[in-house]
Amino acid sequence: IVMTQSPATLSVSPGERATLSCRASQSISSNLAWFQHKPGQAPRLLIYGASTRVTGIPARFSGSGSGTEFTLTISSLQSEDFAIYYCQQYTNWPRYTFGQGTKLEIK
Amino acid sequence: EVQLVESGGGLVQPGGSLRLSCSASGFTFSSYAIHWVRQAPGKGLEYVSAISTTGSTTYYADSVKGRFTISRDNFQNTLYLQMTSLRPEDTAVYHCVKVSGAGGCFDYWGQGTLVTVSS
Repeated sequence: IVMTQSPATLSVSPGERATLSCRASQSISSNLAWFQHKPGQAPRLLIYGASTRVTGIPARFSGSGSGTEFTLTISSLQSEDFAIYYCQQYTNWPRYTFGQGTKLEIK
Repeated sequence: EVQLVESGGGLVQPGGSLRLSCSASGFTFSSYAIHWVRQAPGKGLEYVSAISTTGSTTYYADSVKGRFTISRDNFQNTLYLQMTSLRPEDTAVYHCVKVSGAGGCFDYWGQGTLVTVSS
């Protein structure tokens, strides 16, 4: 299953909303996770089941979608949110696949 | 607190070997499948290998099949990746990653260890 994220880079000002997209090459139901990755750190799970926020993740992060189209929305960007975001499908263990990432940068 | 700590990375010549380790704590290691995932410089995340809870079943990406061997020691709470016949394209940060449960997603990642294959 090929995962395609768009855009590759997103420039947004602090306080604004960011919308990141992820598309699967075939239906994955809601088996979709979003990770945040900062340089030199371990990636962090934000959302699983397409829309369930991990405990401790701020409410400004929200996920939506099912089937082949998914969205991660960050409602009001904080400085610590600028990072690379990956989506991952986990339909067919162990061959989980990732999108190529969206770099969220400060405008 | 769940922790995954990789070690064993370094500089190795093409054709050489290296063994990575991942020390786990904060959860019942033997109850979860574990993966190795790598990220080459400037590239995205790539699945490398996976191992079942008991170690009886292993999986590999086509790019490493026949060269890498994943294993685990459930008494020592440690995951391993034996890498042989290394190629420059194997240069990457290697992360060990815990699966949340049967059919679940990745939930915890280690910080990674850098493997550089170069002459």
